Amino acid sequence: DGGITQSPKYLFRKEGQNVTLSCEQNLNHDAMYWYRQDPGQGLRLIYYSQIVNDFQKGDIAEGYSVSREKKESFPLTVTSAQKNPTAFYLCASSIVGTDYGYTFGSGTRLTVV
Amino acid sequence: AQSVSQHNHHVILSEAASLELGCNYSYGGTVNLFWYVQYPGQHLQLLLKYFSGDPLVKGIKGFEAEFIKSKFSFNLRKPSVQWSDTAEYFCATYRDDKIIFGKGTRLHILP
Repeated sequence: DGGITQSPKYLFRKEGQNVTLSCEQNLNHDAMYWYRQDPGQGLRLIYYSQIVNDFQKGDIAEGYSVSREKKESFPLTVTSAQKNPTAFYLCASSIVGTDYGYTFGSGTRLTVV
Repeated sequence: AQSVSQHNHHVILSEAASLELGCNYSYGGTVNLFWYVQYPGQHLQLLLKYFSGDPLVKGIKGFEAEFIKSKFSFNLRKPSVQWSDTAEYFCATYRDDKIIFGKGTRLHILP
């Protein structure tokens, strides 16, 4: 079945450590996105990419980094510079253009202790 | 820049009650609007979308939304809710090649 796979589902890290969240899709979608979801704040865009080897900052990119070396993969690194990294992270993909919604992954819940 | 706002953060209803969740958008040219739903423990999924044409849009699971240009609104409705409609609902709009989400409305249906 086609879809988006995010791994792991739950992740615990010590403060000051970088951590990378995986996102893989087999939908042949060109565009991929990372959102952060916090209670009462909805989904806020971290980074997005519409083509391989290119990506743009979203509204809350500080403290995060991404890469897009393959069409299928869009990993997100939460760096030690992110002041409040504990959150639920959602990856999505879409066909580029306005007529399509997103397909979402099941998310990764990151807890930094 | 176009954005959306949801005024109800938490709504509690009894089964069989009618539902209307508010969403207002700020005008920014072409209007593209969505409603997404996130059931407990599940993926976000698209309920319905509006790009043009008939302002009354029908979605999955008996939901509908009406685009009212004069009121800058795109409210989500369902005539009779079920316990299984308990979820978080997000209004969203398309802006600069990406979807911008509202803050969400948490809907709790009492059995």
